[in-house]
Amino acid sequence: NAGVTQTPKFQVLKTGQSMTLQCAQDMNHEYMSWYRQDPGMGLRLIHYSVGAGITDQGEVPNGYNVSRSTTEDFPLRLLSAAPSQTSVYFCASSYFRGGGNEQFFGPGTRLTVL
Amino acid sequence: KQEVTQIPAALSVPEGENLVLNCSFTDSAIYNLQWFRQDPGKGLTSLLLIQSSQREQTSGRLNASLDKSSGRSTLYIAASQPGDSATYLCAALGGANNLFFGTGTRLTVIP
Repeated sequence: NAGVTQTPKFQVLKTGQSMTLQCAQDMNHEYMSWYRQDPGMGLRLIHYSVGAGITDQGEVPNGYNVSRSTTEDFPLRLLSAAPSQTSVYFCASSYFRGGGNEQFFGPGTRLTVL
Repeated sequence: KQEVTQIPAALSVPEGENLVLNCSFTDSAIYNLQWFRQDPGKGLTSLLLIQSSQREQTSGRLNASLDKSSGRSTLYIAASQPGDSATYLCAALGGANNLFFGTGTRLTVIP
């Protein structure tokens, strides 16, 4: 049971480049989400999904796209990277039905946009 | 919008001391309150989860309490050790299963 995995661990991009951050979980969780962590601001929700084919925006969705074609995977796409997207990105998952479920986080992807 | 605050932002204590970390939230309509530990350059490790119907949870030397009516949670660490040095984050679970995080308390335990 690997839990929540994220790739890559580190990435450097130039302004305007695109890339996809990968997230996968093997716990059969319905709910998956993406957060970004910036110094002094805490973690903020980017996008989330409550099941395959269902996604919604969080607090800071601009510049990011997501899709959920399977229960296991929830990739985050940066369409045209900007320096303001330099951050640490965390993926999380949990059960959804019944409410109040513990959330589990991946190890993070550290992204630098030059 | 839910606002979560953690005070103090940083705390330094000698080894063996008992300590309390504070977390406050503005909207009492939460499903649970989760405490995490984050080591430098690492991910988040879940420590304790308190459901909205509960008052406290314990795990080893850690005890977390929740008072929804006052919008407060505390994390009590007994007999602190240098290995407890890390940043501690609290997060309140709101609607749509989304977490609202505080900015954390950075704890240093001095040998």
